[in-house]
Amino acid sequence: KAGVTQTPRYLIKTRGQQVTLSCSPISGHRSVSWYQQTPGQGLQFLFEYFSETQRNKGNFPGRFSGRQFSNSRSEMNVSTLELGDSALYLCASSSSRGMGYTFGSGTRLTVV
Amino acid sequence: QQQVKQSPQSLIVQKGGISIINCAYENTAFDYFPWYQQFPGKGPALLIAIRPDVSEKKEGRFTISFNKSAKQFSLHIMDSQPGDSATYFCAASGKETSGSRLTFGEGTQLTVNP
Repeated sequence: KAGVTQTPRYLIKTRGQQVTLSCSPISGHRSVSWYQQTPGQGLQFLFEYFSETQRNKGNFPGRFSGRQFSNSRSEMNVSTLELGDSALYLCASSSSRGMGYTFGSGTRLTVV
Repeated sequence: QQQVKQSPQSLIVQKGGISIINCAYENTAFDYFPWYQQFPGKGPALLIAIRPDVSEKKEGRFTISFNKSAKQFSLHIMDSQPGDSATYFCAASGKETSGSRLTFGEGTQLTVNP
């Protein structure tokens, strides 16, 4: 069974640009969550999607957005990139909300 | 009230020893407490999880001890092996977010010396 797939694995962007990250959950998983991991702030919840609807949102500015498609694949977008957005962005999926979440290997975003 | 405090920040154990990592939470609405293991370059992997209706859960060499009244829970790794060297995160989630939002501890870097 394939795991959670995140693309791309690495990304370098310039301040002010925007970026889109992709996540393909485990087949059959309908809940997809996104987290930001940095050395200073640790793992922080961005948002969760279930059945194409955002169900929860963390304390991030509106520059961070996401969506989920009918096949449960999800994308997150960050607009007007700032240096502080450099982080590992992790996607996690679960068969139902509140059950064990399986994480992908993440997308390492570097903003220069 | 959403915080989960984890200690120690780093831990060095000899092969065969017991590794103990502790976490404390404040939000009494939390009702699911997983532990994740993360290797460099990888995402966190679910190790073991517990709900407050039990005080202990064991899976192989990994045991969670849970103290509801103290709002504390801990991970014990028995017979620690060099392959266990990784970063460990405790986490918690609650019914108010249908369990979908994990609040993580700060992480513990475990090193098991051969």
